Amino acid sequence: DTAVSQTPKYLVTQMGNDKSIKCEQNLGHDTMYWYKQDSKKFLKIMFSYNNKELIINETVPNRFSPKSPDKAHLNLHINSLELGDSAVYFCASSHFTNGNEQFFGPGTRLTVL
Amino acid sequence: AQRVTQPEKLLSVFKGAPVELKCNYSYSGSPELFWYVQYSRQRLQLLLRHISRESIKGFTADLNKGETSFHLKKPFAQEEDSAMYYCALGDAGGYNKLIFGAGTRLAVHP
Repeated sequence: DTAVSQTPKYLVTQMGNDKSIKCEQNLGHDTMYWYKQDSKKFLKIMFSYNNKELIINETVPNRFSPKSPDKAHLNLHINSLELGDSAVYFCASSHFTNGNEQFFGPGTRLTVL
Repeated sequence: AQRVTQPEKLLSVFKGAPVELKCNYSYSGSPELFWYVQYSRQRLQLLLRHISRESIKGFTADLNKGETSFHLKKPFAQEEDSAMYYCALGDAGGYNKLIFGAGTRLAVHP
């Protein structure tokens, strides 16, 4: 399937733990994004990478660290998880030259207890 | 500040009724506006963009710079239109940054 995929789909963990969410796209895109959707369904950009380089960093706590090993992958690592981190996290990708047409992954629902 | 406002959290209509999902924006430059849609159990996907001025699945949206609006319209709603709709503003100077509104859930009843 040609798409953006995320793992895991669901993640339940305790406060204080460290966790990672993985994202992969096979669309041949050069730009990838992480969004956070809160309980009110509000969707907000967190990070964007173009060709493995960070180009958007939206005042996200430094407990969140994105890592892009190559153009097709953008992983999100979260240290010392807090209750407020509970949300759905969406990965997306696009061509840099057509960056407003973004293709989204299915989302990862993170629940911090 | 750049902002997208969707004033309605929920819009409930009957099949065959006209639909208008409201979107207003605040942007100092020349805006690029989009509508994204998320059907139940599906991914968020692009529905239409103001530049292309096209009709997708019967939906249209006209950019009104005077009123800073980009409302989404369909003359006759269908049950399969039920979904979450997000208006988004493309920040041309911000490396493809999309600013989303809070979303409006459209429920079309038989």
